[in-house]
Amino acid sequence: TAGITQAPTSQILAAGRSMTLRCTQDMRHNAMYWYRQDLGLGLRLIHYSNTAGTTGKGEVPDGYSVSRANTDDFPLTLASAVPSQTSVYFCASSATSEYPNEQFFGPGTRLTVL
Amino acid sequence: GQNIDQPTEMTATEGAIVQINCTYQTSGFNGLFWYQQHAGEAPTFLSYNVLDGLEEKGRFSSFLSRSKGYSYLLLKELQMKDSASYLCAVKDSNYQLIWGAGTKLIIKP
Repeated sequence: TAGITQAPTSQILAAGRSMTLRCTQDMRHNAMYWYRQDLGLGLRLIHYSNTAGTTGKGEVPDGYSVSRANTDDFPLTLASAVPSQTSVYFCASSATSEYPNEQFFGPGTRLTVL
Repeated sequence: GQNIDQPTEMTATEGAIVQINCTYQTSGFNGLFWYQQHAGEAPTFLSYNVLDGLEEKGRFSSFLSRSKGYSYLLLKELQMKDSASYLCAVKDSNYQLIWGAGTKLIIKP
């Protein structure tokens, strides 16, 4: 079982360019999440989706957008990248958004914006 | 605001016991999670507490006191492979996880 896959593994992006980070899960989980992880800070929630067709804003949503057209896929788009978006991005999923379901994480995408 | 505090770094000796503390202040409480994250890898789930007390799972145990806003992760019989960051996270009233910055655990032979 693949679990959660993310693509690309890493990317260097010029400031002002757009990019979509892909995330796919095969566990039929209802809830999916996008986090960024920066040195010295905890994981910060960017956007989430409690079920296909719905999305919500997390702690740091500015500059990012998401869609949830189906259960499996949850792409994250940076419309016009800025250097402060340099980070490691993790996609995660859980059976539902409510407790006690733990979140399962993808391997991450390391993004550098120059 | 919401806040999760954990020590930045701890050092312990192989074969010993270490306790990693976590204190939290959140809007609502729907459970506390501990995750392990090796350098360059994704976090993986270790334990979950929603009621006060100790949950034991092999070499790892996690304790919760809701009245004190406090938890700890206890690692016994430390092995070199336990060198990792340990992340404390609390599910708030909106069922979103609020994460601590993590505790980097260094194991020495």
